[in-house]
Amino acid sequence: DARVTQTPRHKVTEMGQEVTMRCQPILGHNTVFWYRQTMMQGLELLAYFRNRAPLDDSGMPKDRFSAEMPDATLATLKIQPSEPRDSAVYFCASGPEGALEQFFGPGTRLTVL
Amino acid sequence: AQKVTQAQTEISVVEKEDVTLDCVYETRDTTYYLFWYKQPPSGELVFLIRRNSFDEQNEISGRYSWNFQKSTSSFNFTITASQVVDSAVYFCALSEAWSGYSTLTFGKGTMLLVSP
Repeated sequence: DARVTQTPRHKVTEMGQEVTMRCQPILGHNTVFWYRQTMMQGLELLAYFRNRAPLDDSGMPKDRFSAEMPDATLATLKIQPSEPRDSAVYFCASGPEGALEQFFGPGTRLTVL
Repeated sequence: AQKVTQAQTEISVVEKEDVTLDCVYETRDTTYYLFWYKQPPSGELVFLIRRNSFDEQNEISGRYSWNFQKSTSSFNFTITASQVVDSAVYFCALSEAWSGYSTLTFGKGTMLLVSP
């Protein structure tokens, strides 16, 4: 049963620290998405990639967030420096070529103190 | 303006009751897709259904059914004979042509609580 995996599942850090979240998309999926979920804003798209190329990162605060796909099996979302307002659940999702459904990982719950 | 509106923030029902979750969307595209996802307490989002804008046939899958009405821009989700395991947050989402149907715009979700 193929699933998107995310690490870590939980992260507590102090303001100013760097945070790196990792995602392993489902093997063979060529589209990868990063979402952030908060109570106030709900689910927001941060960035997405197709065939490892970034297609849209307009939802991401550019000064502190960065997203990359070093290879087809790994996507990373980095926050540097982190701030308390970054506290949220960050989801990664992947989708196969030509398909519309996105399959979500379990999320990383980030708390910035 | 919200593109996907789920006006019901929280619904509480007793097991075996039927419940309908509302979703109203807004788009200028003639071709678009609508989705429902379920987020159980474990946190993972689970895909339930996808509909395209040209297919207004209602769909039934077991206890789940979906009513798509283009005239009212609504895509409502009904659970028949609800069960405690249906307790979750349910999200409606829209995918539009401008994004190449690549991105999803989610509603704020409806939390469904089914009590025994």
